[in-house]
Amino acid sequence: AQSVAQPEDQVNVAEGNPLTVKCTYSVSGNPYLFWYVQYPNRGLQFLLKYITGDNLVKGSYGFEAEFNKSQTSFHLKKPSALVSDSALYFCAVRGDTGGFKTIFGAGTRLFVKA
Amino acid sequence: EPEVTQTPSHQVTQMGQEVILRCVPISNHLYFYWYRQILGQKVEFLVSFYNNEISEKSEIFDDQFSVERPDGSNFTLKIRSTKLEDSAMYFCASSEGGRYQPQHFGDGTRLSIL
Repeated sequence: AQSVAQPEDQVNVAEGNPLTVKCTYSVSGNPYLFWYVQYPNRGLQFLLKYITGDNLVKGSYGFEAEFNKSQTSFHLKKPSALVSDSALYFCAVRGDTGGFKTIFGAGTRLFVKA
Repeated sequence: EPEVTQTPSHQVTQMGQEVILRCVPISNHLYFYWYRQILGQKVEFLVSFYNNEISEKSEIFDDQFSVERPDGSNFTLKIRSTKLEDSAMYFCASSEGGRYQPQHFGDGTRLSIL
């Protein structure tokens, strides 16, 4: 069965500091991995995805994520956090076989302090 | 940039009543989805729809739920007899196609069951 774990409910970081939001996954076959961000009263917005190839993927707003197959992780990173990055972040996984069901993690709330 | 639009933004309904949530996916997208989110927490998959039929559904999507694409643009979720626990934010999403494609989400309909 597919699953996604985001071990931190909340991450606090000072503006200008690097940030990491953690994600681990379990899926049959090869994973397709996604990060989405949600601002208050809005839908989820796609940030980046890993399909195959280079383990470091770059996405919107300066975010990047590192795929680690041996640790089944896909952590979201940004070198220098902005106050405007404060939001709810979701990791999601879909397998390369079977249906199109996407499993989302429970979400991590990021607070960036000025 | 094209968007997924959902109406209404907020729906208040008496328990036991039928409710229809409406979505207009992005026009060239082929895959359509419904998710729900309770109290800003985990995003739960309900159903995926492709080629005018359900391609996958979760255990949440029981006989009280149905989806329809009545014309070339709308995608609807019907809850036949609402329960208090159906109160949630319901998100529609669409994707161009392929399991590696990200989903584009609407801003959701907040469903409140009294």
